[in-house]
Amino acid sequence: AQSVTQLGSHVSVSEGALVLLRCNYSSSVPPYLFWYVQYPNQGLQLLLKYTTGATLVKGINGFEAEFKKSETSFHLTKPSAHMSDAAEYFCAVSPTGNQFYFGTGTSLTVIP
Amino acid sequence: NAGVTQTPKFRVLKTGQSMTLLCAQDMNHEYMYWYRQDPGMGLRLIHYSVGEGTTAKGEVPDGYNVSRLKKQNFLLGLESAAPSQTSVYFCASQGTGVEQYFGPGTRLTVT
Repeated sequence: AQSVTQLGSHVSVSEGALVLLRCNYSSSVPPYLFWYVQYPNQGLQLLLKYTTGATLVKGINGFEAEFKKSETSFHLTKPSAHMSDAAEYFCAVSPTGNQFYFGTGTSLTVIP
Repeated sequence: NAGVTQTPKFRVLKTGQSMTLLCAQDMNHEYMYWYRQDPGMGLRLIHYSVGEGTTAKGEVPDGYNVSRLKKQNFLLGLESAAPSQTSVYFCASQGTGVEQYFGPGTRLTVT
């Protein structure tokens, strides 16, 4: 069975500081990988996805993630945090493209 | 183009009552999913559908039933609600790509 581990259920950063949210997955083959963001009382929005090709993926709002097969990781980064980045972030994995497994989420707080 | 909509947005049920949650999408997507979201547990798949007239069980299907009579609609039913079913329910749809599109959620409380 697939599993997705997000290290740190709560992360706090200062405004302007680097954001790093960690995601590791278990899979015997390179899967599809996703990061979603959820703002309070809203559904999930896709930030970025990895399917094939370039391992560094750029998404919306200045976020990017790097697929590292040897480490089975797909960490999310943003060089400079903004107050509007405060939200819940979910990493997800799909081995086939139509069954998805989500991590437990990381709540990001941005301190002014 | 409304995307994915969910009805209702909020609901309070008493134990043993039944209800149906409606998910509708206007993107002509084949795949539709129902998830529940609980604190500290992320999203867990309840049931899903790969096309009109088909349904399949996900990770946590017990206590729920679903139907996909029309391609654009995916219904989630609770026949006899239990407090353990208090949760936020999300519907998602997926077309030919690998991206899922989520609805705004339904917050259900069972007392």
